[in-house]
Amino acid sequence: GEDVEQSLFLSVREGDSSVINCTYTDSSSTYLYWYKQEPGAGLQLLTYIFSNMDMKQDQRLTVLLNKKDKHLSLRIADTQTGDSAIYFCAVLSNDYKLSFGAGTTVTVRA
Amino acid sequence: EPEVTQTPSHQVTQMGQEVILRCVPISNHLYFYWYRQILGQKVEFLVSFYNNEISEKSEIFDDQFSVERPDGSNFTLKIRSTKLEDSAMYFCASREEQETQYFGPGTRLLVL
Repeated sequence: GEDVEQSLFLSVREGDSSVINCTYTDSSSTYLYWYKQEPGAGLQLLTYIFSNMDMKQDQRLTVLLNKKDKHLSLRIADTQTGDSAIYFCAVLSNDYKLSFGAGTTVTVRA
Repeated sequence: EPEVTQTPSHQVTQMGQEVILRCVPISNHLYFYWYRQILGQKVEFLVSFYNNEISEKSEIFDDQFSVERPDGSNFTLKIRSTKLEDSAMYFCASREEQETQYFGPGTRLLVL
């Protein structure tokens, strides 16, 4: 099955940019997602990118995809305290199953 | 904005008991999913459901698990005889023809 890896922790100062990285193994993946999970809450879809795109920007969020290296990143500009959460990278395979990374815990410090 | 809802938010049960976790997918969605997240571990796919039957299931989804769409709105996950290792957060998700899956808030199941 698909193997999705993420770094586990990221600490960032308020106002700085956060970059969360993800690697995956299945080159036939069609859609790649970022979900946000706040403490005790569900998975909130943040953004996604189709595999034929290199970049997608949505307000403070920028997703970069390097399909050759199977590397996905999420950049959050001007990180705020409300951005503190766990961020999951998820990859959709041809059989429409989502494979998740272990999640990156982002802590925003004042 | 329409969203996936799940009940209950928390469930505590004794080992060996049956539990039913309920989900109401987004109303025009056709594809339904259950995932689980054991504390501190990855979110794992359990099962997908379309047109009143299971499309795919993982090796986790053994004979103790079943899914049902008993009416036009609910989608349920039943665990017949719970084990300690079934303790997890269970997420329901749904999608329409497009690929993006939308998740519910989850049910936290604790088996004692």
